[in-house]
Amino acid sequence: DQQVKQNSPSLSVQEGRISILNCDYTNSMFDYFLWYKKYPAEGPTFLISISSIKDKNEDGRFTVFLNKSAKHLSLHIVPSQPGDSAVYFCAARGGTYKYIFGTGTRLKVLA
Amino acid sequence: KAGVTQTPRYLIKTRGQQVTLSCSPISGHRSVSWYQQTPGQGLQFLFEYFSETQRNKGNFPGRFSGRQFSNSRSEMNVSTLELGDSALYLCASSPGDLETQYFGPGTRLLVL
Repeated sequence: DQQVKQNSPSLSVQEGRISILNCDYTNSMFDYFLWYKKYPAEGPTFLISISSIKDKNEDGRFTVFLNKSAKHLSLHIVPSQPGDSAVYFCAARGGTYKYIFGTGTRLKVLA
Repeated sequence: KAGVTQTPRYLIKTRGQQVTLSCSPISGHRSVSWYQQTPGQGLQFLFEYFSETQRNKGNFPGRFSGRQFSNSRSEMNVSTLELGDSALYLCASSPGDLETQYFGPGTRLLVL
């Protein structure tokens, strides 16, 4: 059972525009969510996180939104840059020292 | 601070063999987790160690095992390798309980 889902395997966006990456989850007990970026041949790099007690967290060009009622998480990148081209994973803390990851969305920012 | 290091970076084995992968966490980090990444499957949780104790385990067969040493370094072992074990194996460390995890570059295992 895929408790964390990223339904869009890929996304293309023009440089300077907004990139919106989405993530859905099924378990209402998840209390902490993270986004990671991964370049080829490297491990995932932590980007931004949000606690379930908040609905928004910003860090520079990156903003994460949490809609608990819809069990939906999104990452907004504004403005998008070519260096943002990577695979993005969302993850949820599933309790008991365990993180559950989505399958990833490949973002391509076109110059 | 140095990041999470994993050795080796690349490995080729044949079916039936066994393999041991190593992970050195960020200095001061006591929690180490292991993940398997395959195309289309995202990162699948294998297990997590804290202070030499396995605290959680994912849904993998018993061929996958691990351990953590007193210096927080961790090893993962896969016995009787199968073709489907070909994947990128990632190690992540965090300072303590349920904090943000920081990943190493991974070990890419190819089973022929």
